[in-house]
Amino acid sequence: EAGVTQFPSHSVIEKGQTVTLRCDPISGHDNLYWYRRVMGKEIKFLLHFVKESKQDESGMPNNRFLAERTGGTYSTLKVQPAELEDSGVYFCASTQGLGGTDTQYFGPGTRLTVL
Amino acid sequence: GQNIDQPTEMTATEGAIVQINCTYQTSGFNGLFWYQQHAGEAPTFLSYNVLDGLEEKGRFSSFLSRSKGYSYLLLKELQMKDSASYLCAVRVTGANNLFFGTGTRLTVIP
Repeated sequence: EAGVTQFPSHSVIEKGQTVTLRCDPISGHDNLYWYRRVMGKEIKFLLHFVKESKQDESGMPNNRFLAERTGGTYSTLKVQPAELEDSGVYFCASTQGLGGTDTQYFGPGTRLTVL
Repeated sequence: GQNIDQPTEMTATEGAIVQINCTYQTSGFNGLFWYQQHAGEAPTFLSYNVLDGLEEKGRFSSFLSRSKGYSYLLLKELQMKDSASYLCAVRVTGANNLFFGTGTRLTVIP
């Protein structure tokens, strides 16, 4: 069974540009999460999809970030326009259900560098 | 806010035992997870505790005390491949996402 995949693995852009990150969850997983780790800090939650619906977007830092999950399969996270403080590693995770023991399976992350 | 603390770095010798501690102060509690992350790779699930006590899984064990807001990950018979970051994460009541500590970078030396 394929794990969570993310694309691209690395992205280097200039301030003011737009970047779109993609996450493909494990097949059949209804729940998809985005997290971010900025340098020297802990991994922090951004938002949670259940199928195509946003269940919780309390962690989204501002309106420059837009997440979508059309069709309830893969998800994209767009940053427009990117700022220097958006640099970090963006992780995606998925789970099948929301039960207590449901483990979040993580992708390898996309390392975003904004110059 | 939620606060999860763990040591930044630890070093241990191949073949030895190491204990990585995690303390948390959170608004409610609904499970604690340990993940292993090698540099540039995905965090991979190691263990889950929701009740007090010890969960053993091969060379790895995890302990939880909810009254103390405390957990530890115990790694036995350390191998060089165990050099990695170990992430403690808590799920709080009413939320599905995880709150992470900053991670403990473990270096195993010969």
